[in-house]
Amino acid sequence: QVQLVQSGAEVKKPGASVKVSCKASGYTFTNYALHWVRQAPGQRLEWMGWINAGDGNTKYSQKFQGRVTISRDTSASTAYMELSSLRSEDTAVYYCARGIGWPSQLDSWGQGTLVTVSS
Amino acid sequence: DIVMTQSPDSLAVSLGERAAINCKSSQSVLYSSKNKNYLAWYQQKPGQPPKLLIYWASTRESGVPDRFSGSGSGTDFTLTISSLQAEDVAVYYCHQYYSTPPTFGQGTKVEVK
Repeated sequence: QVQLVQSGAEVKKPGASVKVSCKASGYTFTNYALHWVRQAPGQRLEWMGWINAGDGNTKYSQKFQGRVTISRDTSASTAYMELSSLRSEDTAVYYCARGIGWPSQLDSWGQGTLVTVSS
Repeated sequence: DIVMTQSPDSLAVSLGERAAINCKSSQSVLYSSKNKNYLAWYQQKPGQPPKLLIYWASTRESGVPDRFSGSGSGTDFTLTISSLQAEDVAVYYCHQYYSTPPTFGQGTKVEVK
C-alpha cells in the first residue's frame, strides 16, 4: 500500500532553516508528484509547493517563494522540503502528500512533522 | 488566490442522521472544456493527517463508504454524510486545485449530538 513516512519533529531558532524528508513506498515514485502542505495551530491547511518526482520540476506558492526549496532523490524515493529564515509563525505541522500530476487532489498523506520555531 | 469558505464552522448531528457541509469558492473551479470541477473533500481526525474522501467534486475515493457524497458545480459545493456514524466525528475540509496556489476551506467540525 502507498506509504509516505516523514522525518521526526524539529525545534529551531528564529532565522534557522529546517529540512523535512518524506520517504515514499508502495508505488512507482517517479510517476507521481509530491506536494507540501502545512497546518499552523488553529489555522487552515496551507499549500507550499510541489515537485514532479519524475522530472524534478517544482512550483512554489508565492507566499514562500525564496524561502522554500523542494527537492527529491529518486534513488531513495524521498522528497525533501527545506524552509529557511524561520520565524515563529512557521511553527506548524508540515505534511507531504501525493498528487497525480498537476493539478491534482492529494490522495495519500504523510503522518506530518511538527516544526517548532522558538528562541 | 481563490478563497474557500465553508459553512457552518461546526455542526452537531445525531447518530444516523444526515450532515451537510457547504463550501463556496470566490471564483469558479469548473474547467469548462473538461467539464470537471477541481474540488476535493478531506476528513481529518485528531492527530491524523487529512484523508481524501471526494475529488472532482463528486467522485468518491476508493474505500470511502458510500454514505459520503459530494455535489455542486462552479462555486457552490456540498459534502453530505447520509447517516452519521460515530467514526465520522472529524474536521472536514474542501480544497480547490483549479488554480495556483491550491487553497483549502477553514474546516467544519462535525460532532455527535
